[in-house]
Amino acid sequence: SQTIHQWPATLVQPVGSPLSLECTVEGTSNPNLYWYRQAAGRGLQLLFYSVGIGQISSEVPQNLSASRPQDRQFILSSKKLLLSDSGFYLCAWQGAKVSSTEAFFGQGTRLTVV
Amino acid sequence: AQKITQTQPGMFVQEKEAVTLDCTYDTSDPSYGLFWYKQPSSGEMIFLIYQGSYDQQNATEGRYSLNFQKARKSANLVISASQLGDSAMYFCAMREGRTGRRALTFGSGTRLQVQP
Repeated sequence: SQTIHQWPATLVQPVGSPLSLECTVEGTSNPNLYWYRQAAGRGLQLLFYSVGIGQISSEVPQNLSASRPQDRQFILSSKKLLLSDSGFYLCAWQGAKVSSTEAFFGQGTRLTVV
Repeated sequence: AQKITQTQPGMFVQEKEAVTLDCTYDTSDPSYGLFWYKQPSSGEMIFLIYQGSYDQQNATEGRYSLNFQKARKSANLVISASQLGDSAMYFCAMREGRTGRRALTFGSGTRLQVQP
């Protein structure tokens, strides 16, 4: 069965510090991978998606970047965090077909920038 | 324009009663999928139910059913026999077939509180 691991669960970082959040998927190959961010009390906003190794598409201009060094690994990074980067970050794996019901999320990382 | 609209920021329901959470969507793509997720206070996103645009029958999963009205572009979630553990945020989401990214677009969510 497919599982998705995301870490760390919580993170408190000072403004200007770097960030690296990691997500790995098991039980599938060549998945579509996604990073979402959820502000407090809001819905999820798509940040990045990847359809393959080294293929990254950004949805919104921001202080963040993403990389996919391996088929089942997706990394969210920042060189210098801003206060506005605080939020709940979720990694997700989805099947390639529109009809697929396979849309799994990681446990999420709660990031607080202080 | 909003692709997914959830007009109920918060809902209350008595334990054991049924509740309907509203969701309307906007797309010109004939091929799409509609999802409902539950997010408890822990933050994890729990997949509840899926409805494809070509599905002839409304989806059901245990106590969850999806009232799919294609012409009205609505996909309301019905929870029967509410339980205290159903208290959570509920998100409606859509996945369109045309775009290459296949990502989910989420509504703003509805906070459901089940009262004893």
